[in-house]
Amino acid sequence: AQKITQTQPGMFVQEKEAVTLDCTYDTSDPSYGLFWYKQPSSGEMIFLIYQGSYDQQNATEGRYSLNFQKARKSANLVISASQLGDSAMYFCAMREKSLGGANNLFFGTGTRLTVIP
Amino acid sequence: ETGVTQSPTHLIKTRGQQVTLRCSSQSGHNTVSWYQQALGQGPQFIFQYYREEENGRGNFPPRFSGLQFPNYSSELNVNALELDDSALYLCASRPPGTGSSGANVLTFGAGSRLTVL
Repeated sequence: AQKITQTQPGMFVQEKEAVTLDCTYDTSDPSYGLFWYKQPSSGEMIFLIYQGSYDQQNATEGRYSLNFQKARKSANLVISASQLGDSAMYFCAMREKSLGGANNLFFGTGTRLTVIP
Repeated sequence: ETGVTQSPTHLIKTRGQQVTLRCSSQSGHNTVSWYQQALGQGPQFIFQYYREEENGRGNFPPRFSGLQFPNYSSELNVNALELDDSALYLCASRPPGTGSSGANVLTFGAGSRLTVL
């Protein structure tokens, strides 16, 4: 079963508007972590925001906030006041245990966001 | 500016050949992970090294191997290249004490794009 689902292959948003990128997840582990990364055309993955499963409040980092709905297993990213530089691929990821016991990230397929001037 | 540098940025190989990709992590980051990102997909975890030993592995065959050196550099080696090995290979590192829980934030490099013909 797919662990991270991003159903929006592409999204468009007008500059200065807010946009929500969807992410649902599946895990039986009561302790987990959810991440959002941004990948511009240059290739590197840039960390945006983190939400732990036991965190009481939704995470916020500047213009980024995470709409965490635990019962629905969703962790949507909200970007407020979009800027042209926000145009990129956005990946939702979940921390999981690998063979050998080390933690690693399981990524979704991503959403390409385009900000329109 | 990213603290993780990768080389080469692009390379082309033919089926059956071997390739070595290199990564220089941020000073003090004693954990390094490698991810494979096929076109249009999210990154997939290959393996992780901690203090020069592999301590986690994803669903990749043994022809994918690695090394980590005391100077915070590392290598990914792929033998007997196949067409499906064409991808962006991302190296990521994190400082000590951030692995088992919490944000576990990885710092990624810009990747090495491998094309297998």
